[in-house]
Amino acid sequence: AQSVSQHNHHVILSEAASLELGCNYSYGGTVNLFWYVQYPGQHLQLLLKYFSGDPLVKGIKGFEAEFIKSKFSFNLRKPSVQWSDTAEYFCAFTRRGSTLGRLYFGRGTQLTVWP
Amino acid sequence: KAGVTQTPRYLIKTRGQQVTLSCSPISGHRSVSWYQQTPGQGLQFLFEYFSETQRNKGNFPGRFSGRQFSNSRSEMNVSTLELGDSALYLCASSLERAMNTEAFFGQGTRLTVV
Repeated sequence: AQSVSQHNHHVILSEAASLELGCNYSYGGTVNLFWYVQYPGQHLQLLLKYFSGDPLVKGIKGFEAEFIKSKFSFNLRKPSVQWSDTAEYFCAFTRRGSTLGRLYFGRGTQLTVWP
Repeated sequence: KAGVTQTPRYLIKTRGQQVTLSCSPISGHRSVSWYQQTPGQGLQFLFEYFSETQRNKGNFPGRFSGRQFSNSRSEMNVSTLELGDSALYLCASSLERAMNTEAFFGQGTRLTVV
């Protein structure tokens, strides 16, 4: 069965600290990968996506993620977090080329950044 | 351009009632998916519609149903509400049924069942 595992349920950091959120997916085929962010009281927004090509992808607000196919991983990174990064982060994938449009989500990681 | 619009934003219903939630996708988007978000279960896929046809369904009981209209707007219905149906219901739209593009989410409908 397809699934996504996010290693950390809650991460607490001080401003300027570096961030890495782990994500592993379970699916034997080719995938499209996503990180979504949900700020308090707001809708899910796309942070970055990987479809093909360079496995290191850059997104909005200084975030980046690296796809390591051999590890089925798509970890999210940011060199220096800000208080405004406090939010919940979701890793997700779709089965590429599938006619079934479905995102498989991880359980989410709550990031709290202290000023 | 306008984003995904979900109405209403908040609903309070009593057990046993039914509810209908609405989603208007981004103009030109033909695929609409629904998700249930709860603190305990995270984001759970409900169903996906494309060109008025349900193409995929998650593991929810038959009390959960949906439809899509010719203008791509979608509704989901929950009958015989239970306390456990309290959740944030999210709608997402995308251009392609194959989801080789990104999905855009609405702000959700917060359903509380009392």
